[in-house]
Amino acid sequence: DTGVSQNPRHKITKRGQNVTFRCDPISEHNRLYWYRQTLGQGPEFLTYFQNEAQLEKSRLLSDRFSAERPKGSFSTLEIQRTEQGDSAMYLCASSRQESTTEAFFGQGTRLTVV
Amino acid sequence: QQPVQSPQAVILREGEDAVINCSSSKALYSVHWYRQKHGEAPVFLMILLKGGEQKGHEKISASFNEKKQQSSLYLTASQLSYSGTYFCGTISNFGNEKLTFGTGTRLTIIP
Repeated sequence: DTGVSQNPRHKITKRGQNVTFRCDPISEHNRLYWYRQTLGQGPEFLTYFQNEAQLEKSRLLSDRFSAERPKGSFSTLEIQRTEQGDSAMYLCASSRQESTTEAFFGQGTRLTVV
Repeated sequence: QQPVQSPQAVILREGEDAVINCSSSKALYSVHWYRQKHGEAPVFLMILLKGGEQKGHEKISASFNEKKQQSSLYLTASQLSYSGTYFCGTISNFGNEKLTFGTGTRLTIIP
């Protein structure tokens, strides 16, 4: 399967714990996006990379959130000291660099903070 | 600032037509349309580039009015499989090129 892969698919954690999600994009895609989606809402932009460079991080994003893409391939999203409000679906998408190409989404990681 | 979609929700009988609108406060370079079914990831439908083009995909087509910073998605002779939430994603003309999604339109098709 050469689609976007996200792991884990589901994560339940206690408030205050740290969690890390992984995204493996389509291999020839150099652009990678992270989004957060809650029920009934559109995907909310979190951050995106072009190769290993993080080009933008949402101003609404807490400092508890950090993302890396160390070798321009897979990416990780870490949430420190999780809060109940962090419960959501975290989606990763990848695309080629050109703005004229489609972004492909992974199946997402559903985070539940209890 | 995310694009605004209208209507927020629509219910159609199978075979009826629908129009979903997407409006941005920024000058746009491209508009991307996605459909998401419950519990699944968004699936790409089509991209429209500045230049006012119109595209078609089976019975689903879209237009992009660059001057008005608006795009519309047209679904004709709707089928049950069209049910889901439709999102427009936009890339602005200037600065960074992040893909920002709209507020979504929930479409329900009933037999």
